[in-house]
Amino acid sequence: EDKVVQSPLSLVVHEGDTVTLNCSYEVTNFRSLLWYKQEKKAPTFLFMLTSSGIEKKSGRLSSILDKKELFSILNITATQTGDSAVYLCAVELSNTGKLIFGQGTTLQVKP
Amino acid sequence: DAGVIQSPRHEVTEMGQEVTLRCKPISGHDYLFWYRQTMMRGLELLIYFNNNVPIDDSGMPEDRFSAKMPNASFSTLKIQPSEPRDSAVYFCASSSGQTFGNTIYFGEGSWLTVV
Repeated sequence: EDKVVQSPLSLVVHEGDTVTLNCSYEVTNFRSLLWYKQEKKAPTFLFMLTSSGIEKKSGRLSSILDKKELFSILNITATQTGDSAVYLCAVELSNTGKLIFGQGTTLQVKP
Repeated sequence: DAGVIQSPRHEVTEMGQEVTLRCKPISGHDYLFWYRQTMMRGLELLIYFNNNVPIDDSGMPEDRFSAKMPNASFSTLKIQPSEPRDSAVYFCASSSGQTFGNTIYFGEGSWLTVV
């Protein structure tokens, strides 16, 4: 059975801290891995990763994929209260177009 | 573009009642997805359509759930009869082409509570 597992499930930090969110997967026909941010409504796209070892970066957020060990990490540096959200990891299956989502990591950034 | 439009945004219904959720995908998108999100199970794909044809409904939990897409601009997800365990947020999403990941757009969700 295809599955995506995120850890930790929840995290509380203070502004300025750096956080690392983890996503591991076991799927057939991997096409890509995606990160989304969800703030009480629809998930919004952050990154899509298809190749190992190539870091994707957007401001204070960055992500990298390891296709050998089947995991990805999402880093957020100098966290701000606006980073508080649920961060979702999903794997796209190449032969179906399906997205398999992890449980999400709930991040709370305190002032 | 107005994005993916879902209705109703919130619904509270009694157990046993029929619930119909509606979705208008982004114009020009040929894939439509229905997801369900709960605290226990996270985001789960229920069913998806390509060019109005259901492609994979393996995520539909049971016969009480059905989905239709009569045309390119409208889809429904129906639950009959509803049960308290169906309480969840139901997201509709649409996409274009074969690469879904960074081109999938989610609606705001329909928050369903069955009491």
